Amino acid sequence: ETGVTQTPRHLVMGMTNKKSLKCEQHLGHNAMYWYKQSAKKPLELMFVYNFKEQTENNSVPSRFSPECPNSSHLFLHLHTLQPEDSALYLCASSQGTDREQYFGPGTRLTVT
Amino acid sequence: LAKTTQPISMDSYEGQEVNITCSHNNIATNDYITWYQQFPSQGPRFIIQGYKTKVTNEVASLFIPADRKSSTLSLPRVSLSDTAVYYCLVGDDTGFQKLVFGTGTRLLVSP
Repeated sequence: ETGVTQTPRHLVMGMTNKKSLKCEQHLGHNAMYWYKQSAKKPLELMFVYNFKEQTENNSVPSRFSPECPNSSHLFLHLHTLQPEDSALYLCASSQGTDREQYFGPGTRLTVT
Repeated sequence: LAKTTQPISMDSYEGQEVNITCSHNNIATNDYITWYQQFPSQGPRFIIQGYKTKVTNEVASLFIPADRKSSTLSLPRVSLSDTAVYYCLVGDDTGFQKLVFGTGTRLLVSP
């Protein structure tokens, strides 16, 4: 247990569906992150939030919409995804964006 | 943004010491060096972080030469459960550390 939880752990959705991924951290951190990891590829940083403010958007398509209502919660809203968006989506948090990150277990997303 | 280069894979046997070297020729003055471990279908797990010289914790040591253009993660007496992918990252402390995960090093520990 890293203190970062993600739900759901597995998700199958059609290309016309709308779904949301949830991340919660119990570590008192002020920075949170979304990463995408496709099969046999490195992790790709998607979004960074620091003190609830989005500080990084790594050219992510608009069909991915993040939301950070407070420092402990992070959402990733998904709509009209493509099959190539199937991947492991990982959430992480850190105490400051220069410190080590703690990752959640990830959500395995399959887009059909 | 400093780019890192690591061997794609390494093989070892239980009980051996494993050293994984990472090159980061363009490391900036403020960059820290951080290593993570990742098992299949799990998020990466922080192992160790350092700035210069040597850092040691309960699971690993990190050796950083004076020019800081490379670093070596040392895993003492590996076991089968150390089979994983190991990532080396560099980032600065200006407030917006950009974590660029490379392909990592896939370590296979055999009996």
